[in-house]
Amino acid sequence: LAKTTQPISMDSYEGQEVNITCSHNNIATNDYITWYQQFPSQGPRFIIQGYKTKVTNEVASLFIPADRKSSTLSLPRVSLSDTAVYYCLVGDGGFNKFYFGSGTKLNVKP
Amino acid sequence: GAVVSQHPSRVICKSGTSVKIECRSLDFQATTMFWYRQFPKKSLMLMATSNEGSKATYEQGVEKDKFLINHASLTLSTLTVTSAHPEDSSFYICSAGQGSSGNTIYFGEGSWLTVV
Repeated sequence: LAKTTQPISMDSYEGQEVNITCSHNNIATNDYITWYQQFPSQGPRFIIQGYKTKVTNEVASLFIPADRKSSTLSLPRVSLSDTAVYYCLVGDGGFNKFYFGSGTKLNVKP
Repeated sequence: GAVVSQHPSRVICKSGTSVKIECRSLDFQATTMFWYRQFPKKSLMLMATSNEGSKATYEQGVEKDKFLINHASLTLSTLTVTSAHPEDSSFYICSAGQGSSGNTIYFGEGSWLTVV
């Protein structure tokens, strides 16, 4: 059973900031939150991972509230090439299995 | 980031034959690897957990005798689809992690299997 809930799809325009929220009400103490991007016919690509508060890297930011029951992936100034499916996963990265939810299909328009 | 590689990226086989897909962790040792399958426009479905040096554990509904998994070393896991049928045609993806809490799981590029 998937442990996460995300919007099925989102539309955006080039140059806009996109925020995708994921709900994970049953997150465990040891669980980290990881976001992946998947293009058609490719394996998921790691975007960002965090445990609490805010994490930022060169491509995205991840905001995690204090209760950790949700998280928001923020993509600054999206381009057409950011059109993809984005998955939010929770797990401890150790021997914990990742079950995928539906993901969010982001469609960036010109 | 860490690299997980799959081979072959695409394979076509005849019904009734077996086909092997390899998953390698190129720059780290993976005590655990995971195998997924994905149908077009659908999410990834976990098939099994591959444990180095021991038997794989399969998700409910996945036939262990049909999808043979071997994890003989810390850098290689193989998935063999035995007696393949057209309904086994799918995109198969592996993932691997170092097995420590907080370590990121990385995914392979995926392997397209077409059974004709």
